[in-house]
Amino acid sequence: RKEVEQDPGPFNVPEGATVAFNCTYSNSASQSFFWYRQDCRKEPKLLMSVYSSGNEDGRFTAQLNRASQYISLLIRDSKLSDSATYLCAVNPGGSNTGKLIFGQGTTLQVKP
Amino acid sequence: DGGITQSPKYLFRKEGQNVTLSCEQNLNHDAMYWYRQDPGQGLRLIYYSQIVNDFQKGDIAEGYSVSREKKESFPLTVTSAQKNPTAFYLCASTAGSYEQYFGPGTRLTVT
Repeated sequence: RKEVEQDPGPFNVPEGATVAFNCTYSNSASQSFFWYRQDCRKEPKLLMSVYSSGNEDGRFTAQLNRASQYISLLIRDSKLSDSATYLCAVNPGGSNTGKLIFGQGTTLQVKP
Repeated sequence: DGGITQSPKYLFRKEGQNVTLSCEQNLNHDAMYWYRQDPGQGLRLIYYSQIVNDFQKGDIAEGYSVSREKKESFPLTVTSAQKNPTAFYLCASTAGSYEQYFGPGTRLTVT
């Protein structure tokens, strides 16, 4: 089982739709969680950190479910410009190296 | 302008040649990381460094080498021992909060 897993998609949704992605992690000691956005042939950019209490930034909401060991990203009112690959990243915990383990990414295509 | 720079953006090499990828940051970050990304894949950690003059192997270090002589710089050498070096190489840094920030990447093609 991979340490961090995502459904690669693609998720094809119409403009204005609400879409949600999940990311599961295997190490229960994991401490820090992030969502990154990566456009085609570009570097990943930090979208948001995921806190135990959840995190909301405009149309984007991230949540952590420690019991089931997954994080989620909800995008409301999808825009064409939201089309990208969304990577989750998890700090596995147990050390202070700052290492992150990345999922393979979920591709979102927002259609007009 | 603070940030992470990587050069060159595209690099072409013949098989059997070593090649060095540059990564520089002026964010005063202590830790720096090198990742490799293959098409349709996530990022895999090659090497990382938490302080100057110290670095550790990541998950796929074979065929690669690094140095960390200055806080700002963390160059990666792809050696001829790397069996499949064609990939997108990404450098990242962090101030210690685990939030990593990436440079624009270098696309290496070896033929």
